[in-house]
Amino acid sequence: NAGVTQTPKFRVLKTGQSMTLLCAQDMNHEYMYWYRQDPGMGLRLIHYSVGEGTTAKGEVPDGYNVSRLKKQNFLLGLESAAPSQTSVYFCASSYSRRLAGATAYEQYFGPGTRLTVT
Amino acid sequence: GQSLEQPSEVTAVEGAIVQINCTYQTSGFYGLSWYQQHDGGAPTFLSYNGLDGLEETGRFSSFLSRSDSYGYLLLQELQMKDSASYFCAVRRQAGTALIFGKGTTLSVSS
Repeated sequence: NAGVTQTPKFRVLKTGQSMTLLCAQDMNHEYMYWYRQDPGMGLRLIHYSVGEGTTAKGEVPDGYNVSRLKKQNFLLGLESAAPSQTSVYFCASSYSRRLAGATAYEQYFGPGTRLTVT
Repeated sequence: GQSLEQPSEVTAVEGAIVQINCTYQTSGFYGLSWYQQHDGGAPTFLSYNGLDGLEETGRFSSFLSRSDSYGYLLLQELQMKDSASYFCAVRRQAGTALIFGKGTTLSVSS
């Protein structure tokens, strides 16, 4: 299994350009997530999906859109890139299982996409 | 609001024991998780506490006290490869999304 894969690995955009980041998972996980990671800020949730055809906003959704047309794919779009969106973007997927006496949603992360907006 | 507090940096020597604390303030709580991230890599899952008490996985243990809104990750017999960032994360509602702390950078020296 490849696990969670992300395309592209690196990208440089000019302000105002648009792009789509692709996330794919082959573990048949129901849940998928997009995070951004900035120095000293930890991981911040942008959008997530609890199943095919569903999406929900996270902590920092502004400037991003997502789609989950197929269970295995979760797309993150930037309509008009801004320098503030320079970051490392991680996709993750999870499923529910019993762990430590409760229901856990252990997340599996992709390798990340390094995006620079100039 | 939602917040998770953990120390920004911890240093230790090989073979030592280190504890990384995490306190949280969230509107809901459905479990505390810990993730490890090596420089330039992706976060990987370490442990989960849904109930109060200690969970042990090899050299790593994690503890939760829901009444104190507090947990910790305990790393024993430290090795150089344990040098990484460690994040606590809370599932704050009856869904699947996690809120992460800002991370603790652990540096292990020989």
